[in-house]
Amino acid sequence: GAVVSQHPSRVICKSGTSVKIECRSLDFQATTMFWYRQFPKQSLMLMATSNEGSKATYEQGVEKDKFLINHASLTLSTLTVTSAHPEDSSFYICSADGRGGMNTEAFFGQGTRLTVV
Amino acid sequence: EDKVVQSPLSLVVHEGDTVTLNCSYEVTNFRSLLWYKQEKKAPTFLFMLTSSGIEKKSGRLSSILDKKELFSILNITATQTGDSAVYLCAVLGGYKYIFGTGTRLKVLA
Repeated sequence: GAVVSQHPSRVICKSGTSVKIECRSLDFQATTMFWYRQFPKQSLMLMATSNEGSKATYEQGVEKDKFLINHASLTLSTLTVTSAHPEDSSFYICSADGRGGMNTEAFFGQGTRLTVV
Repeated sequence: EDKVVQSPLSLVVHEGDTVTLNCSYEVTNFRSLLWYKQEKKAPTFLFMLTSSGIEKKSGRLSSILDKKELFSILNITATQTGDSAVYLCAVLGGYKYIFGTGTRLKVLA
């Protein structure tokens, strides 16, 4: 099956700094990538939908200036958590599909556990 | 507002038991329903269902979709401790996937 690689898998950063998380599709072109956040023992909450070459579509309540998403190529999307605070600590997962969401499974990255101290 | 609801929220069974996990949805522009298993990290894909009444099967796991009543079930027979995980149901509606709350399954030896 298709492979999505997410990096880093774990990061600890100081409050006020920014952290960049990368999501790459390794063997297919991902026209659409999704970024999720997952709190302990909760489900995946969609943060934003990233389309190659255009601005991301953010879900209600997600601060676009805080969670910067860039989808510069068909194989790479990045999520930058700017001026991170302890409440941003969470598990972030990306997923990608190669056909613009048309009846295809979503392939997930390994996830990034962010801890802000 | 689109929503996906799973039940039960958690379940504890013994090895060998059969379990049925439920997923109901209200999603506009329904395209497909997907089941995932999540252990420690990223969810792993189990099934994708697009048509009503057609059972999908993989080993001890099976799933079926009812598009009239807007629900799906995931069955696991002869459960094993390795089945312990969170099972997520997601519905692809329009351009995005909406995830349910998940069912946390624990299988005791």
